[in-house]
Amino acid sequence: DAEITQSPRHKITETGRQVTLACHQTWNHNNMFWYRQDLGHGLRLIHYSYGVHDTNKGEVSDGYSVSRSNTEDLPLTLESAASSQTSVYFCASSESTANTGELFFGEGSRLTVL
Amino acid sequence: QKEVEQNSGPLSVPEGAIASLNCTYSDRGSQSFFWYRQYSGKSPELIMSIYSNGDKEDGRFTAQLNKASQYVSLLIRDSQPSDSATYLCAVNQGGKLIFGQGTELSVKP
Repeated sequence: DAEITQSPRHKITETGRQVTLACHQTWNHNNMFWYRQDLGHGLRLIHYSYGVHDTNKGEVSDGYSVSRSNTEDLPLTLESAASSQTSVYFCASSESTANTGELFFGEGSRLTVL
Repeated sequence: QKEVEQNSGPLSVPEGAIASLNCTYSDRGSQSFFWYRQYSGKSPELIMSIYSNGDKEDGRFTAQLNKASQYVSLLIRDSQPSDSATYLCAVNQGGKLIFGQGTELSVKP
């Protein structure tokens, strides 16, 4: 069955370290998204991609970067982790721009920055 | 002003009652609207989508859209304890989904 997987599921790191969260989907979806979820804020869009070599900034992109070298993967990098980036991160994908609302989510990655 | 706003709750209803969840959005150009359900510790899952003014029914769920008032709602009839979750309203803006902060629903037996 097609799926979307995130790794690691849990990570603890220190302030200033570089962290990469992996996202891999096997649906062959063009669109991929990274969200963070914090209490009281719902899901906030960090970065998104509509295809290979395409990346775009979302609402809360400062301190994060992504790259899309193939259809299946969209890794999220925190260049220098800060305590404010402690959060649960969700990767999602969708088939096309017209159907962007039908997102398939990964199980989430819980990141703690000490 | 947030682009998509919901009452964070918690909203508590007795089993068998109707739960009403509300959402407003700021972008008048938005054309598609979605409700996601998220159980505690899990990822969100799509339960309803609506694109035209009026009501859309799917089983015990009814989504309502009023573009003139920039208002979307979700009604859950005959609420069950298994409906206890956070409900997220989402609006497609320029090809990407913008979410509200979510409303926590608790259905008491």
